[in-house]
Amino acid sequence: GAVVSQHPSRVICKSGTSVKIECRSLDFQATTMFWYRQFPKQSLMLMATSNEGSKATYEQGVEKDKFLINHASLTLSTLTVTSAHPEDSSFYICSARGGQSTDTQYFGPGTRLTVL
Amino acid sequence: AQRVTQPEKLLSVFKGAPVELKCNYSYSGSPELFWYVQYSRQRLQLLLRHISRESIKGFTADLNKGETSFHLKKPFAQEEDSAMYYCALSGAGGYQKVTFGIGTKLQVIP
Repeated sequence: GAVVSQHPSRVICKSGTSVKIECRSLDFQATTMFWYRQFPKQSLMLMATSNEGSKATYEQGVEKDKFLINHASLTLSTLTVTSAHPEDSSFYICSARGGQSTDTQYFGPGTRLTVL
Repeated sequence: AQRVTQPEKLLSVFKGAPVELKCNYSYSGSPELFWYVQYSRQRLQLLLRHISRESIKGFTADLNKGETSFHLKKPFAQEEDSAMYYCALSGAGGYQKVTFGIGTKLQVIP
């Protein structure tokens, strides 16, 4: 099956710094990538939908200037958490889907962000 | 607005007993419904989707548009079925976002 990777798997940073998380589709072209946030014992919360070559569509309540998303190629999307604060600590998960609406969404393993 | 409701956070059943994980949805249109599973320490993965009408690992789910439900069922639970199960909904066609339910933890008791 298709594989989606995320890097890093864990990151600890100081408050006020920026952190970049990469999401890669390893063996297929992902025209659409999704970024989720998962709080402990809660569901995945969609943050934004990213289509290759265009601006991401952010969900209501998600600050686009704080969570910068770039989908520059068909195999890579990045999420940058700018000026991170402790409340940004969470589990961030990306998923990728091919060009058809019926294509399966493949999930990355997630990135654990801890902001001190 | 699209919404997915999973009323049970935890469902405990004995091995060999039938399982039904409930999912109700709200969507103004023709939705695509999915069930995702997350085993302990593993990533989220697709279990099944309603358009495929297939059975995976003994699980089935039927889309009931009248009741706006997509319950996941298995006649005989196995210990290896213990996991988190998420019901999800997407609009049909194009670059549609996926909305997840809160998830139900299935615990199969030996």
